Amino acid sequence: AQTVTQSQPEMSVQEAETVTLSCTYDTSESDYYLFWYKQPPSRQMILVIRQEAYKQQNATENRFSVNFQKAAKSFSLKISDSQLGDAAMYFCAYRRVRDGNEKLTFGTGTRLTIIP
Amino acid sequence: GAVVSQHPSWVICKSGTSVKIECRSLDFQATTMFWYRQFPKQSLMLMATSNEGSKATYEQGVEKDKFLINHASLTLSTLTVTSAHPEDSSFYICSARVARGQGLTDTQYFGPGTRLTVL
Repeated sequence: AQTVTQSQPEMSVQEAETVTLSCTYDTSESDYYLFWYKQPPSRQMILVIRQEAYKQQNATENRFSVNFQKAAKSFSLKISDSQLGDAAMYFCAYRRVRDGNEKLTFGTGTRLTIIP
Repeated sequence: GAVVSQHPSWVICKSGTSVKIECRSLDFQATTMFWYRQFPKQSLMLMATSNEGSKATYEQGVEKDKFLINHASLTLSTLTVTSAHPEDSSFYICSARVARGQGLTDTQYFGPGTRLTVL
């Protein structure tokens, strides 16, 4: 079974600084998707970034980028120029490509605090 | 694009009553919808996967007779918590997977959640 591990229950960063959230996963599949979702206090889950395992290039979305290390099964999220609105729970998630129902497996989350 | 709504956003009910929660994809078709439960300060726990026109697939440990799921159309799935008890109090979140060919990122889009409190 696939597992996703987020070893940092809480992180904090000074506004405008850079922070990296860690995520590791375990799978025997060679093709899969990885995601980072953000859950602000409103509880609305928001997709931050998506990475396809077959792509070597790390995904980027504006201030958000990932460091995808397939051999190490590591998928960290870097937030640059942190803003107050980035404060939220961040969940790393995994999804098989070949799973017809495409279930997401979530990590336990990292609570990110932005210090003004 | 890719907006998912849930109704109601919160509900309080008496023990023993049933509660229905609706999940709608507003601007896209969703062949598959998912229902999650989230306890305070915890991650999302998948309860069941709902495919339009067929029976839902429940995760291990989830009582299908207690949590009834109906995926009536490509834009609507409902979760009914039957004979609710205080231990069913939780935050319930649905998500919808975009059907192919709609020009959206292939992922799950989440509703805003429903907070259920059973007295």
